[in-house]
Amino acid sequence: AQSVTQPDIHITVSEGASLELRCNYSYGATPYLFWYVQSPGQGLQLLLKYFSGDTLVQGIKGFEAEFKRSQSSFNLRKPSVHWSDAAEYFCAHNNAGNMLTFGGGTRLMVKP
Amino acid sequence: NAGVTQTPKFQVLKTGQSMTLQCAQDMNHEYMSWYRQDPGMGLRLIHYSVGAGITDQGEVPNGYNVSRSTTEDFPLRLLSAAPSQTSVYFCASSYTTGNTGELFFGEGSRLTVL
Repeated sequence: AQSVTQPDIHITVSEGASLELRCNYSYGATPYLFWYVQSPGQGLQLLLKYFSGDTLVQGIKGFEAEFKRSQSSFNLRKPSVHWSDAAEYFCAHNNAGNMLTFGGGTRLMVKP
Repeated sequence: NAGVTQTPKFQVLKTGQSMTLQCAQDMNHEYMSWYRQDPGMGLRLIHYSVGAGITDQGEVPNGYNVSRSTTEDFPLRLLSAAPSQTSVYFCASSYTTGNTGELFFGEGSRLTVL
């Protein structure tokens, strides 16, 4: 069974600092990878996705992620965090089926 | 444009009661799904549908039923609620089957079973 691991449950960064959220997925022949963000009391919103091609993908709100097949990782990054980025972030993986598997989430807190 | 609409937003049930969570989308999406969200466990797929008349089980289907009589609607039924079903439920839809497209989520339904 496929799985997605987000090792960090909580992360706190200072406003303006850089951010990296980790995501590892179990092996799959065709990894479709996603990052979603959830603000309090809201549903999830897609930040970015990777299917194939360039391993560095750009998303909304200044986020990017890099796919590394050798490490089975798809880490999310942002060069400079804003207070409005405080939210919960979910990595998700689809191994070319009809089921999307989500990681447990990483809650980001931003210090002023 | 409403997107994905879930009702009710909050519900309290007693053990053994039944209820239906409603989900409707106005984007003509073929793929619809139900997830439950529990702390530290991310979102887990309950059931999904790739089109009207077609449903299938996800990762945690026990205790839940679904049907898809129209493209727009995908209700989730709890026939006999249990405390373990206390959770936040999200309906999501996508324009493609195979779940390679972007999922559009509703705002969630918080269910408490006493």
